[in-house]
Order: sequence, then structure tokens, then C-alpha cells
Amino acid sequence: QQPVQSPQAVILREGEDAVINCSSSKALYSVHWYRQKHGEAPVFLMILLKGGEQKGHEKISASFNEKKQQSSLYLTASQLSYSGTYFCGTPVGGTYKYIFGTGTRLKVLA
Amino acid sequence: DVKVTQSSRYLVKRTGEKVFLECVQDMDHENMFWYRQDPGLGLRLIYFSYDVKMKEKGDIPEGYSVSREKKERFSLILESASTNQTSMYLCASSLMTGAHREAFFGQGTRLTVV
Repeated sequence: QQPVQSPQAVILREGEDAVINCSSSKALYSVHWYRQKHGEAPVFLMILLKGGEQKGHEKISASFNEKKQQSSLYLTASQLSYSGTYFCGTPVGGTYKYIFGTGTRLKVLA
Repeated sequence: DVKVTQSSRYLVKRTGEKVFLECVQDMDHENMFWYRQDPGLGLRLIYFSYDVKMKEKGDIPEGYSVSREKKERFSLILESASTNQTSMYLCASSLMTGAHREAFFGQGTRLTVV
């Protein structure tokens, strides 16, 4: 039931772009993206609702394709501060449950 | 700002001990969750609660139990700690319903069972 993220890990140089994908075997009603820096708690980045795409902060944006049960996070012109582990999260429809994807470790090098 | 506080950042316990992990939130959120985080496996849901005294199993509840006696406090209990429960444990809270119920996290407890 846990959404699967790809890639598992990615290394970039400053200024490069990256895409992180989140795929679910079940219907997604909304998707949230989080970033966890080393030694810290995950922090909410943005929400994607059905039928919409929402830009977040900095140069990070995301898309949501409810038909394909997928969401993608786009990091443009990456900065050192983007390093961390990214998770997609989603409430499970019809329940109070909230689950996360498998995570993607991103490292940005100078 | 939402604050979710976990009682310990680091814990070392012996195999067979009973272990309590405590979590308190100050935003009057109905939902509270316990996850464990392991490399390559992301965040896996252990138990959650949507109201005082209400609890539901998550995806990996075996070996754990929970308690929610007050709305702001959610405890995770390892009845008899085992080495395969060595992990990072994260507590989170959220609003009860709706698409906007993103999770707010505590700092995590790194538990080592020896």
C-alpha cells in the first residue's frame, strides 16, 4: 500500500535539475510533499489536490496525475540547501490513516 | 506554529525491556501517528489515533501498542523490545479530515535495542 518513490537516491551538482516521482497502487485524493534534512524532522513543502498543480516555494514545483495515481516533484536549478530526503505523503481515502512513500535521498554538490 | 514534542532524542534499551516513547502536540489536532523510519523503507505507519482512547493499527503494528488518554498525548509502547526494533521513531499530528491534513512531525527518537 505504501507509495513507491523513484529514484531512491540522486546526486546533483548545484544548478542541475531533478525530478522525483511518487506512484501509488491505490487512488490518490491529494498528495503532500515533505523534505527531511539530516538529523531533522520532515517538513511540509506543498500540497497537490485533485485536478490541480500547485507551485511551492523556491524553485520547487510539483504535478499530480490522479488518473495515473502519480505525483512528481520538480527541483529546478538546485541549491545546496535542497539536500535531504524527500517524501510524498497522502491521506488514505475513507480513513484517518496517513501514509508516506519510500523516500528519495537527494544530495546537491557544490 | 505547530509544535510536536517527543520526550527523548536518543534511547538505548536492553532486549526484553518495556519501552515507552512519548509524544505531545499543542495544536489541538485530532489525529496522531507513530511511524518508524528505516533506510530504503521510508516512513512506515505503526499505529494511529483519531480521538482520545481510539486507536487503529497501521501497516506494521506487530510488537507495538499505543495509548491515548489525553488529546494532546500519544504514547508508543514496545512491550518487549527486540533488536529488530532498533530504528528512528517519528510522531506526527494532523487535522482529522480533509485533503489539507498534512502531517506535523516531532524531532524523532532514535532507539537502539542491545
